[in-house]
Amino acid sequence: QKEVEQNSGPLSVPEGAIASLNCTYSDRGSQSFFWYRQYSGKSPELIMFIYSNGDKEDGRFTAQLNKASQYVSLLIRDSQPSDSATYLCAARSGSARQLTFGSGTQLTVLP
Amino acid sequence: NAGVTQTPKFQVLKTGQSMTLQCAQDMNHNSMYWYRQDPGMGLRLIYYSASEGTTDKGEVPNGYNVSRLNKREFSLRLESAAPSQTSVYFCASIGPGLNEQFFGPGTRLTVL
Repeated sequence: QKEVEQNSGPLSVPEGAIASLNCTYSDRGSQSFFWYRQYSGKSPELIMFIYSNGDKEDGRFTAQLNKASQYVSLLIRDSQPSDSATYLCAARSGSARQLTFGSGTQLTVLP
Repeated sequence: NAGVTQTPKFQVLKTGQSMTLQCAQDMNHNSMYWYRQDPGMGLRLIYYSASEGTTDKGEVPNGYNVSRLNKREFSLRLESAAPSQTSVYFCASIGPGLNEQFFGPGTRLTVL
């Protein structure tokens, strides 16, 4: 069974700090990885996706992928209280149309 | 564009009752999905439809049926609701690049 694992948290960081969210996956056929943010009571929204080993930056967000270690991470620089949410990691194998989601990490940014 | 819409937003059922959750998207997407989300469980795929006229089971299909009515609409039916089906249900669609799933606002279902 394909699995995506995340530390459920909660993770608390002070405002302005770097928040680091981690995700591991079991299916070596996974090729695409996604980070979603979900505010309480709302639907998930895509933050960014990554295909290639290394780092991908988008504003305050950096996704990191290490396929050899089957590890994906999301760094949030200069964390803001508005970043407080649950962050979901997801993986897709090849051209499959399904995503496998982790259980999410709850992040709280303290003012 | 409304994106992905779902009805109803909230529903309370008694055990054994049936209901249909409706989903529609106006983005001309081929693929649509139904997920359930339970506390601490993330999103679990119930059924998906890669294109109009096709449906496939996901991770947790038991107790559910789906209909891809046309390219816009994808409905989820509970024939005989059980308390274990108490959850938040999300519908989603994905564009041709398969990069971004767009989610509807969700339906909060309670089965007593």
